[in-house]
Amino acid sequence: GQNIDQPTEMTATEGAIVQINCTYQTSGFNGLFWYQQHAGEAPTFLSYNVLDGLEEKGRFSSFLSRSKGYSYLLLKELQMKDSASYLCAGTDSNYQLIWGAGTKLIIKP
Amino acid sequence: IAGITQAPTSQILAAGRRMTLRCTQDMRHNAMCWYRQDLGLGLRLIHYSNTAGTTGKGEVPDGYSVSRANTDDFPLTLASAVPSQTSVYFCASSDSGVGANVLTFGAGSRLTVL
Repeated sequence: GQNIDQPTEMTATEGAIVQINCTYQTSGFNGLFWYQQHAGEAPTFLSYNVLDGLEEKGRFSSFLSRSKGYSYLLLKELQMKDSASYLCAGTDSNYQLIWGAGTKLIIKP
Repeated sequence: IAGITQAPTSQILAAGRRMTLRCTQDMRHNAMCWYRQDLGLGLRLIHYSNTAGTTGKGEVPDGYSVSRANTDDFPLTLASAVPSQTSVYFCASSDSGVGANVLTFGAGSRLTVL
């Protein structure tokens, strides 16, 4: 079956770095998305990886290893506004999105 | 401001009633879809449309129907609501193919079925 796994909840300190992991099992693979969702709001796009390696966008970076079925989202210089859920979603060979349940990130002062 | 508008924002509904959730986008995106989001579960696709005039079933289509008469509108109808349809519903759109491109989401419709 197809599956996306990510931790349910993580806690980090303001100003620190946190890495949110995501492992995927899909029938074929056409890329992996990360979305951010603040409580009570809509998900918003953060990043998309289809090739192996690290994509950096300011304080956020996303990494993909296709051979390991693994991705992570790296958040640097954490701010209180980064408290949110982070959703990992993989695209299978039919371009169907498979979503993880999301990782709730709690930032403490 | 370009984006997706969903209505209503929140609704409490008696079981057995019919309900239509509205979704309108002004980005001229070809593809639109509906997801439901429940605590502890990932977003689950209900129905999708890759272009006006066509629709397809997602992972959890039972009890729901959609239509895509034009590019901008994609309403979701619950013919006879049941308590298990209590959820937050998100409409989303993308330039082409709901799994192949970045999705823009509406603000969500919180539905409670009693």
